[in-house]
Amino acid sequence: EAQVTQNPRYLITVTGKKLTVTCSQNMNHEYMSWYRQDPGLGLRQIYYSMNVEVTDKGDVPEGYKVSRKEKRNFPLILESPSPNQTSLYFCASSSFKAGALSNQPQHFGDGTRLSIL
Amino acid sequence: AQRVTQPEKLLSVFKGAPVELKCNYSYSGSPELFWYVQYSRQRLQLLLRHISRESIKGFTADLNKGETSFHLKKPFAQEEDSAMYYCALSRYGSSNTGKLIFGQGTTLQVKP
Repeated sequence: EAQVTQNPRYLITVTGKKLTVTCSQNMNHEYMSWYRQDPGLGLRQIYYSMNVEVTDKGDVPEGYKVSRKEKRNFPLILESPSPNQTSLYFCASSSFKAGALSNQPQHFGDGTRLSIL
Repeated sequence: AQRVTQPEKLLSVFKGAPVELKCNYSYSGSPELFWYVQYSRQRLQLLLRHISRESIKGFTADLNKGETSFHLKKPFAQEEDSAMYYCALSRYGSSNTGKLIFGQGTTLQVKP
């Protein structure tokens, strides 16, 4: 089944303790992206990646890191989490390619709910 | 500034009533508009896009560049339409980065 898989689904942790949220897709998509969803704000893009070893900042990148060493994986890293990063996080992938005129449907994971105390 | 506005947090209608979920956007370039939907306990998924000009599950949406709107409509709501709906925008053209700008979302509640 074609899908985007995120882990963990839920995590409660404390300020300053490094954490990684994994994201994996099995559709051979070049494009992957991370969003956070907060009440009243919708989804906002954190980082995106056009292909392996190519990443770029979205609208709210502060406090986050990403890497894209393999096409299928796009982990989100919080080096020193803070309470304002408590949110619902979504990973997405699509067949969009750099230079394409039109966007492509994005396939979303189930989401990861992070609570930073 | 690029922005998508969905003015209603919650829209509640009775089964069989017409539905219109509003979406307005602010964008200086050439936009591409989408509607995404999230049913209870399911993933966020694409419902329709303005480029396709198609009807999905009875929903349609027309891009009105004069009014900068992309309202989602259905003539007769069904209970299974109850979900969270997000309007989203991206740039159309060679400088497209694949980024989606989402509105705040509208919860549609269809009562029996």
